[in-house]
Amino acid sequence: DGGITQSPKYLFRKEGQNVTLSCEQNLNHDAMYWYRQDPGQGLRLIYYSQIVNDFQKGDIAEGYSVSREKKESFPLTVTSAQKNPTAFYLCASSIDHAGPEQYFGPGTRLTVT
Amino acid sequence: AQTVTQSQPEMSVQEAETVTLSCTYDTSESDYYLFWYKQPPSRQMILVIRQEAYKQQNATENRFSVNFQKAAKSFSLKISDSQLGDAAMYFCAYRSLAGGTSYGKLTFGQGTILTVHP
Repeated sequence: DGGITQSPKYLFRKEGQNVTLSCEQNLNHDAMYWYRQDPGQGLRLIYYSQIVNDFQKGDIAEGYSVSREKKESFPLTVTSAQKNPTAFYLCASSIDHAGPEQYFGPGTRLTVT
Repeated sequence: AQTVTQSQPEMSVQEAETVTLSCTYDTSESDYYLFWYKQPPSRQMILVIRQEAYKQQNATENRFSVNFQKAAKSFSLKISDSQLGDAAMYFCAYRSLAGGTSYGKLTFGQGTILTVHP
């Protein structure tokens, strides 16, 4: 089955630690995206990548970093510089950056204490 | 910058009845996409329906249809014959087709929680 996988579903970290969230897709999509979801708010774009070895900041990139070394993978690192890292993180992909639909993974709930 | 507003934090409907969820948006662009996504308790985001701004005809997907009013910048979702499985958070989203840093970006509303009563 083609789709997007995110692991793990739940992640717990101590404050001050960096943590990397995994996102893998086998849809052969060029574009990938990371969103953050907080209670009472819609999704907000963190980073996106239109193609391998290229990525752009979204609206709330501070305290996050990404890499895109392979077409199918777009990991997100939440650094200790992110002031409020506890949130639900969703990865998405589209056939390319012009493709209208974005398809989402199941998400990772990150809790930092 | 574009903004998307969903003014109904919560809505409820009886099973088999019809409910309409509201969405308004603000943009200076003439060409764009609009979407409704569904997020059930599993939190998986599921695309419900898509509307291209250049199309006057309202999109329909089975029991789901939209009322797209471009001049009014309104994009409501109508769910007919509501089912228990329709219970979820629904998000309206705008996708820019303009160039520059906004291109391809999805902007989401705050969401509407839909409860379906048996």
